[in-house]
Amino acid sequence: KAGVTQTPRYLIKTRGQQVTLSCSPISGHRSVSWYQQTPGQGLQFLFEYFSETQRNKGNFPGRFSGRQFSNSRSEMNVSTLELGDSALYLCASSLDPGYVGTEAFFGQGTRLTVV
Amino acid sequence: QQQVKQSPQSLIVQKGGISIINCAYENTAFDYFPWYQQFPGKGPALLIAIRPDVSEKKEGRFTISFNKSAKQFSLHIMDSQPGDSATYFCAASTSGTYKYIFGTGTRLKVLA
Repeated sequence: KAGVTQTPRYLIKTRGQQVTLSCSPISGHRSVSWYQQTPGQGLQFLFEYFSETQRNKGNFPGRFSGRQFSNSRSEMNVSTLELGDSALYLCASSLDPGYVGTEAFFGQGTRLTVV
Repeated sequence: QQQVKQSPQSLIVQKGGISIINCAYENTAFDYFPWYQQFPGKGPALLIAIRPDVSEKKEGRFTISFNKSAKQFSLHIMDSQPGDSATYFCAASTSGTYKYIFGTGTRLKVLA
């Protein structure tokens, strides 16, 4: 069974640009959540999607947005990039939040560097 | 109230020793507590998880101890090996969501 696939793995962008990151969950998984990981702030929740609906959103500015498609694949977008957006962006795939005891499986992440 | 406090920040253990990492939470609505292991350049990998209806869960060399009244839980790694050298994160969430609140991480180094 293939794992969570995140593309691209590495990205360098300039301040002010926008970026789109992609996540393909494990086959059969319908829930996708996104996290930002930085040395200073650790792992912080961005948003969670299930069946194309955003279920939860973290405490990030509106420049951060996401969506989920009918095949459960998800994208997140960051507009007007700032230097502080440089981070490892992680996607986690889960079966269904309605099932007790199901786990979240992380991809390898997209390393975004803003210069 | 949403925080999960993790300690120590770093830990050095001799091969064969026991590694112990502690986490504490405040939100009593949390009912799922996973531990993740992360190697450099990789995403976090689920190690073991526990729910508050049990006080201990063991999987191989990894054991979670859970103290509901103290709102604390800990990871014990028995017979620690150099291959266990990684960063470990505790997390907490409530049922029906995958919004995890992560601890700040513990960098474990196991000396050969």
